[in-house]
Amino acid sequence: KAGVTQTPRYLIKTRGQQVTLSCSPISGHRSVSWYQQTPGQGLQFLFEYFSETQRNKGNFPGRFSGRQFSNSRSEMNVSTLELGDSALYLCASSSQANEQFFGPGTRLTVL
Amino acid sequence: AQSVTQPDIHITVSEGASLELRCNYSYGATPYLFWYVQSPGQGLQLLLKYFSGDTLVQGIKGFEAEFKRSQSSFNLRKPSVHWSDAAEYFCAVGAAYSSASKIIFGSGTRLSIRP
Repeated sequence: KAGVTQTPRYLIKTRGQQVTLSCSPISGHRSVSWYQQTPGQGLQFLFEYFSETQRNKGNFPGRFSGRQFSNSRSEMNVSTLELGDSALYLCASSSQANEQFFGPGTRLTVL
Repeated sequence: AQSVTQPDIHITVSEGASLELRCNYSYGATPYLFWYVQSPGQGLQLLLKYFSGDTLVQGIKGFEAEFKRSQSSFNLRKPSVHWSDAAEYFCAVGAAYSSASKIIFGSGTRLSIRP
């Protein structure tokens, strides 16, 4: 069974731009979660989707948004990028709550 | 407050030596405990998990962890480390069948291996 895939793996953007990251979960998994990982803050929960509905959202500004499609693939969008948005963005999928399988992440650098 | 503490930020051990990474948690409900490993630039890989039953849990790559309720600990162990074990290790706690938003991750322990 193929694992969680994330595209792109690396991104370089400038301040003020927007970015869209994509995540394809493991086949059959309906839950997708997103995390931001930085050296200073560690792993922080962004949001969770289940069957195209956002189930929970972490403590991030409205510039961070996401969605999930009928095939469970998910995208997250960050608008008006700031330097502090530079991070590794991780996606995880699960078939039952809490047993999460992580993708390799997208490394976003904001210049 | 719910929390996970990994008191060791960085540990260096010699190849072939034994390893123990510490994890202490504070959680109101019955905890569901995890250890993940992250190689540089990669995502997190689940090493093992514990919810109930035998308090000594076997995982992948020769790792094991022991749940001690009285000490609120879930320490990760390996009898003999290999250079490929160099990575960052995260302990996490959550509640079974609840949202991913309820999972709390520790700040991680970076493991270096001395040749």
